[in-house]
Amino acid sequence: NAGVTQTPKFQVLKTGQSMTLQCAQDMNHEYMSWYRQDPGMGLRLIHYSVGAGITDQGEVPNGYNVSRSTTEDFPLRLLSAAPSQTSVYFCASSYTGATDTQYFGPGTRLTVL
Amino acid sequence: GENVEQHPSTLSVQEGDSAVIKCTYSDSASNYFPWYKQELGKGPQLIIDIRSNVGEKKDQRIAVTLNKTAKHFSLHITETQPEDSAVYFCAASRGAAGNKLTFGGGTRVLVKP
Repeated sequence: NAGVTQTPKFQVLKTGQSMTLQCAQDMNHEYMSWYRQDPGMGLRLIHYSVGAGITDQGEVPNGYNVSRSTTEDFPLRLLSAAPSQTSVYFCASSYTGATDTQYFGPGTRLTVL
Repeated sequence: GENVEQHPSTLSVQEGDSAVIKCTYSDSASNYFPWYKQELGKGPQLIIDIRSNVGEKKDQRIAVTLNKTAKHFSLHITETQPEDSAVYFCAASRGAAGNKLTFGGGTRVLVKP
């Protein structure tokens, strides 16, 4: 099993550009989530999904969109990048929900100029 | 929503000594409390978790204690080794009632040989 994979590993954007961070898992997990990690602020939940076709907002959803058309994939879209979105983004998955072991991907480091 | 505070933000210990990290949470409905370890350049990985019907749990050199009345839980690492150097995160969830995991700000632990 590859586990949770994320692409790209690094990305630099200009303010106003859009892009999609990819996340995939091959463990047949129902629950997937996106976090951003900023220094001193831990991991903050952006969006999560409890299964294909179902998504919900986390703590910091503004400026981000998600969709879950398959069990395996959970892409995160930045609609119009802003410098405040400079961060490291982690995707995670688990069997059923927030109270299961979360398996994290390796992260995407995003810089918005 | 839930708020998780974690202290200290950095911790330096001598190899062989013990390390203690403390977290408090705000939502009395939270019932699941995991701890994650993040090594440099990687995603967080679960090291131990505790549920609200248990007061203490041990796994070799690590232990977690939970005080639901005080809304407080702690991670204890005994006989620290250089490979314990990492960032540690506590988290809390109210499970199916919210299905979100809220993380503390993290503790950078340095074990000096």
